[in-house]
Amino acid sequence: GENVEQHPSTLSVQEGDSAVIKCTYSDSASNYFPWYKQELGKRPQLIIDIRSNVGEKKDQRIAVTLNKTAKHFSLHITETQPEDSAVYFCAASKDTGFQKLVFGTGTRLLVSP
Amino acid sequence: SQTIHQWPATLVQPVGSPLSLECTVEGTSNPNLYWYRQAAGRGLQLLFYSVGIGQISSEVPQNLSASRPQDRQFILSSKKLLLSDSGFYLCAWRGVGTAADEKLFFGSGTQLSVL
Repeated sequence: GENVEQHPSTLSVQEGDSAVIKCTYSDSASNYFPWYKQELGKRPQLIIDIRSNVGEKKDQRIAVTLNKTAKHFSLHITETQPEDSAVYFCAASKDTGFQKLVFGTGTRLLVSP
Repeated sequence: SQTIHQWPATLVQPVGSPLSLECTVEGTSNPNLYWYRQAAGRGLQLLFYSVGIGQISSEVPQNLSASRPQDRQFILSSKKLLLSDSGFYLCAWRGVGTAADEKLFFGSGTQLSVL
């Protein structure tokens, strides 16, 4: 089955710096890659997603890139702010009759003022 | 618009007691429904998923069971809770059909403490 690895497990940056979180997946048939942000005690919230027919997608300060050949995708956050502090999860799934998302283990991002 | 309701938000139960967590979805038909568990500071573990009424698939052997008595209702149960059942339980739904439906949305979660 699909296996998603996520790095780093923790990431500390200064406000205004950029943050990059990387994930790799094992199943070349996977074609949908979402990213979730989870604040302490809250539900994971979808922040951006990308399909395999697109190499990059941006939404204001966040962007996701996908390298199908290498089977890895990354989340980029620019001009980080303290409110970006949270745990970020990547995930992958493929188009089958039932679409099951496999999640990475999460990255705790801390943005210091 | 679609919404997902999950309750209770917090639950403290003694070891050996039963459990029932409920989740309902509004604004969509025939969704795929999921139960995830998150141990403290850990990732999201898929417990059960359902593609339709009465159809339940289990991802990991455990002390829990799930049922889907109605199209938009998903229930997580246990007859006798264990200490290891403690965690943050999240119900989630996903549409079926076009690529635009594939996004997974989570309920607000239930923090279960088994003492």
